[in-house]
Amino acid sequence: QSVLTQPPSVSAAPGQKVTISCSGSNSNIGNNYVSWYQQLPGTAPKLLIYDNNKRPSGIPDRFSGSKSGTSATLGIAALQTGDEADYYCGTWDSSLSAGVFGGGTKLTVL
Amino acid sequence: QLQLQESGPGVVKPSETLSLTCTVSGVSITTSSYYWDWIRQPPGKELEWIGSIYYSGNTYYSPSLKSRVTMSVDTSKNQFSLKLSSVTAADTAVYYCARRYVTRYFDFWGQGSLVTVSS
Repeated sequence: QSVLTQPPSVSAAPGQKVTISCSGSNSNIGNNYVSWYQQLPGTAPKLLIYDNNKRPSGIPDRFSGSKSGTSATLGIAALQTGDEADYYCGTWDSSLSAGVFGGGTKLTVL
Repeated sequence: QLQLQESGPGVVKPSETLSLTCTVSGVSITTSSYYWDWIRQPPGKELEWIGSIYYSGNTYYSPSLKSRVTMSVDTSKNQFSLKLSSVTAADTAVYYCARRYVTRYFDFWGQGSLVTVSS
C-alpha cells in the first residue's frame, strides 16, 4: 500500500489531454514539493516535473504539474503514442523522514 | 554528463546479504545539497524508496526496511553502497541508484540492476 494514491490506469486518444491525480496528506504533499516521473517500458524512471510545476530542460510544455493542498495533478496534452508509460508521483514525508512514491499510473494512448 | 551505474551480484541466496555499489561520474559526490538514494522496483510493481545518504555519512532509511539496511559512501571513489541483510524472495527487484536534490526530486537515475533472491 503506497503512501501516495494514484489511479492504476488512465487512457485517452491521440491528441487528447489526460490528467493523473496523486493524493497524500499534510505530512507529505501538503508540506513538501511534488515531482513526477515517466517510466517507459524496460527503462529507468525519468524526471518529468519537479517542484510541483517546473519542467526540466528538454521536457515539452505538453507536460504540466499542479498542486493544491494534499493533492497534485500531472497533465499531459496533445497525447502521442510515445507517451504510453507508467507515471509516478513522489515527494518527501516529513513525519516518516522518508521518500515516498505513488503506486504508479499506466497511461494508454488508444 | 552526470551518470550513475549500479554494480553487484545478480543473484543472492535467501537469508544472505545483498550488496550493491553505485559509481557516480561527471560530478563530485560531495556536491552540496545533493543526496544519494537507493530505490527498488519488484517486477511489475511500483517504486519503493529504500534510503538515502549524504556525503558526510548522514543517512535516512525507509521505516519498513530500516532494520536490514545499511548505506555507506566512499568519497575517494565517488561511490555509495547499499547492503540489505536477511533477504527473501520479496527482495527480488530492480535496484536503482539516484541523485536527489534535498527533499525535492530525483534528477538523475542509474539504469537499474536486477537482483534475484534464489537458492
